[in-house]
Amino acid sequence: AQSVAQPEDQVNVAEGNPLTVKCTYSVSGNPYLFWYVQYPNRGLQFLLKYITGDNLVKGSYGFEAEFNKSQTSFHLKKPSALVSDSALYFCACLVEYGNKLVFGAGTILRVKS
Amino acid sequence: NAGVMQNPRHLVRRRGQEARLRCSPMKGHSHVYWYRQLPEEGLKFMVYLQKENIIDESGMPKERFSAEFPKEGPSILRIQQVVRGDSAAYFCASSPWDGGRYEQYFGPGTRLTVT
Repeated sequence: AQSVAQPEDQVNVAEGNPLTVKCTYSVSGNPYLFWYVQYPNRGLQFLLKYITGDNLVKGSYGFEAEFNKSQTSFHLKKPSALVSDSALYFCACLVEYGNKLVFGAGTILRVKS
Repeated sequence: NAGVMQNPRHLVRRRGQEARLRCSPMKGHSHVYWYRQLPEEGLKFMVYLQKENIIDESGMPKERFSAEFPKEGPSILRIQQVVRGDSAAYFCASSPWDGGRYEQYFGPGTRLTVT
């Protein structure tokens, strides 16, 4: 069965510093990987996805993620954090030809000014 | 292009009542997914539907829960005889076709409170 792990419940970073939110996955086939962000009492907003091709994927709001097949990881990164980036971030996985997203437990990102 | 619409946004039901949650997918999207987010937890898949067909309901509780996506109108998630453990945020998502390469777009959710 496929699974997604986000090992950190919370990540704290100072505004202007780089941020990383970690994600690892376990699937039996080729994974499709996604990052979503959730603001309080809101739905999930799509940030970026990896399907195939370049391992470095660029997404919305200056975020990017690096797919690493050997480490089965898909960490979310941003070179310079903003206070407005503070939110709950979810990594999710879809097996090729699959239909349902499997989500990690989520990581709270707090950016302090 | 309007996004995924869900209503109501908040729903309060007493134990034993029925809850009906509605989802209108984005224009042009024919695939609908329902997820549940329990307090302090991530989202869990419940059911995947296409028009008039349930494709995958492996995440649906065996009893009291049902879903439909009729030819006309929104998708409906129905919970009969609600219990306190059903209190959660229920999110609907849609995609143009099979989720594989296409991201799912999420609605704002319906927050169900069972008293």
